[in-house]
Amino acid sequence: EDQVTQSPEALRLQEGESSSLNCSYTVSGLRGLFWYRQDPGKGPEFLFTLYSAGEEKEKERLKATLTKKESFLHITAPKPEDSATYLCAVGYFIGGGNKLTFGTGTQLKVEL
Amino acid sequence: DGGITQSPKYLFRKEGQNVTLSCEQNLNHDAMYWYRQDPGQGLRLIYYSQIVNDFQKGDIAEGYSVSREKKESFPLTVTSAQKNPTAFYLCASSPRTVLTNEKLFFGSGTQLSVL
Repeated sequence: EDQVTQSPEALRLQEGESSSLNCSYTVSGLRGLFWYRQDPGKGPEFLFTLYSAGEEKEKERLKATLTKKESFLHITAPKPEDSATYLCAVGYFIGGGNKLTFGTGTQLKVEL
Repeated sequence: DGGITQSPKYLFRKEGQNVTLSCEQNLNHDAMYWYRQDPGQGLRLIYYSQIVNDFQKGDIAEGYSVSREKKESFPLTVTSAQKNPTAFYLCASSPRTVLTNEKLFFGSGTQLSVL
């Protein structure tokens, strides 16, 4: 069964304490891996798209990387405003059609 | 500013009642989507539409209906047949429909609860 798994479910960091979030997937025929940020009571906001293993993208304190089995979202020197739920989604081709599967998210809390 | 507008923000449904969630976009996107978000679960696709007057079922379409009479609008009706409707509903759009390699633009969501 095609799956997308995010870990950890929740993460608490001190301001400035760098860490990484993981998104592992077992789909074949990857078309794209997406990272979104979601604040409470709001819709997800797009962060990155990665298309092939070895690709990396950066935005401010965030850096996303991709291998053949997983993606990491690295957060360098986080600030309290980085607190949110981070979602990954995997787009792939299956059974003659396209599918996009979301993980359950990592809830990040950055404290002073 | 371009974007997706969902209304209402909060909605309450009585047993046996149908309710309609509104979604409007001014991004000139062809594709629109409805997702359901429950605590501890990933977003699940209810319906999507590639063009006006055409739409396809997603993974959890039972108990829901949609229409796409205008490019800008994609309302979702939660029917009385949906026995567990309490959830956060998200509307999204993308320039085209590939579902695999295009980013989605999301609205701010509607929280539906049962009275």
